[in-house]
Amino acid sequence: SQQGEEDPQALSIQEGENATMNCSYKTSINNLQWYRQNSGRGLVHLILIRSNEREKHSGRLRVTLDTSKKSSSLLITASRAADTASYFCATDKRDYKLSFGAGTTVTVRA
Amino acid sequence: GAGVSQSPRYKVAKRGQDVALRCDPISGHVSLFWYQQALGQGPEFLTYFQNEAQLDKSGLPSDRFFAERPEGSVSTLKIQRTQQEDSAVYLCASGGTGARETQYFGPGTRLLVL
Repeated sequence: SQQGEEDPQALSIQEGENATMNCSYKTSINNLQWYRQNSGRGLVHLILIRSNEREKHSGRLRVTLDTSKKSSSLLITASRAADTASYFCATDKRDYKLSFGAGTTVTVRA
Repeated sequence: GAGVSQSPRYKVAKRGQDVALRCDPISGHVSLFWYQQALGQGPEFLTYFQNEAQLDKSGLPSDRFFAERPEGSVSTLKIQRTQQEDSAVYLCASGGTGARETQYFGPGTRLLVL
């Protein structure tokens, strides 16, 4: 069963625009991670945010975490065509098992 | 260094055939994970190894699924008597000494059972 749920399921934006996607989860977590998956490829780790953190940045990525609402958001600023991919949030509950959502498919139009 | 590699990248099997999927983790990584990703879904945990020890196989969907890592490096996921519902992408990931560290994923093996 999948713990996380991303919203929206799909997102289409113009190059240069920002993309925001959200992840909600059901039970308390230790860490929340975001992964990117390009068509036909494996998952690439983007960023990890711990349960005691509220915001984290990495390059053009900004992740927030609200444990009281059991939700996280991923913001990609100044999007590029190469950002076209599926984005997954994954949570772990103080163990090694990652629970993934169904993902948000992002299309960046040139 | 090299990332996680998996072979074959694609596998077509007739229903009832046995298949073996290979994972070469990042050198020195203690932890190794297998996930199953159905079309349009996120990956689901299958099993976890720490070195050669299989510490968790709770995600394996049936006793037709078997995984091993005999020397603590390369791992093989075997599916016996494949069925159509086994069609999915099988992802392998490896991680460092701590089980909660970042997991690095391979490109996956796309299995199609006809």
